[in-house]
Amino acid sequence: DTGVSQDPRHKITKRGQNVTFRCDPISEHNRLYWYRQTLGQGPEFLTYFQNEAQLEKSRLLSDRFSAERPKGSFSTLEIQRTEQGDSAMYLCASSQIVTGGSYEQYFGPGTRLTVT
Amino acid sequence: DAKTTQPPSMDCAEGRAANLPCNHSTISGNEYVYWYRQIHSQGPQYIIHGLKNNETNEMASLIITEDRKSSTLILPHATLRDTAVYYCIVYTDKLIFGTGTRLQVFP
Repeated sequence: DTGVSQDPRHKITKRGQNVTFRCDPISEHNRLYWYRQTLGQGPEFLTYFQNEAQLEKSRLLSDRFSAERPKGSFSTLEIQRTEQGDSAMYLCASSQIVTGGSYEQYFGPGTRLTVT
Repeated sequence: DAKTTQPPSMDCAEGRAANLPCNHSTISGNEYVYWYRQIHSQGPQYIIHGLKNNETNEMASLIITEDRKSSTLILPHATLRDTAVYYCIVYTDKLIFGTGTRLQVFP
């Protein structure tokens, strides 16, 4: 078990460009979550998947943001027409939901996005 | 919005117990209390969770009051590496983080 991995770890982009981040969850974990964290704040929930189905999206997730988990394994988060306000750490987490089980989420190291 | 209230910061001497309080007065009967911590520039790390009973694992102990309106995370022998932001979360389908407690362990 290698843990949750995210790629890239750092991304610098110019305003207006599109960026895509990848998250590889712990194998066999059926839930995958995306969070965003700005300086001095706790992580904010963006969206989550159970297998390939996107079950919930936060109102923070504007129409410039899209997330996919096409085969129920890795996930991508794309931001179109980036704005300076998108600068943040983007965190991915995964968990295994089983009946009567616990739901601890395991986080990746994050992707730090800087929009100039 | 987060359903928990925590002090913004606490200090603890190395080797002493760190007791981090959390209020969750609106918790529902089937909602768990989870604790995570975040060391600078890293992703949050799961610590412990509980429903009604006190819980202990290799990292910490969790004491939940009988009315479940508050809880305390106990790090029995704090080390410098325990310096982090600690988040108390009432779990629904997702984690709603507040601003947490910044614990500073000093030598």
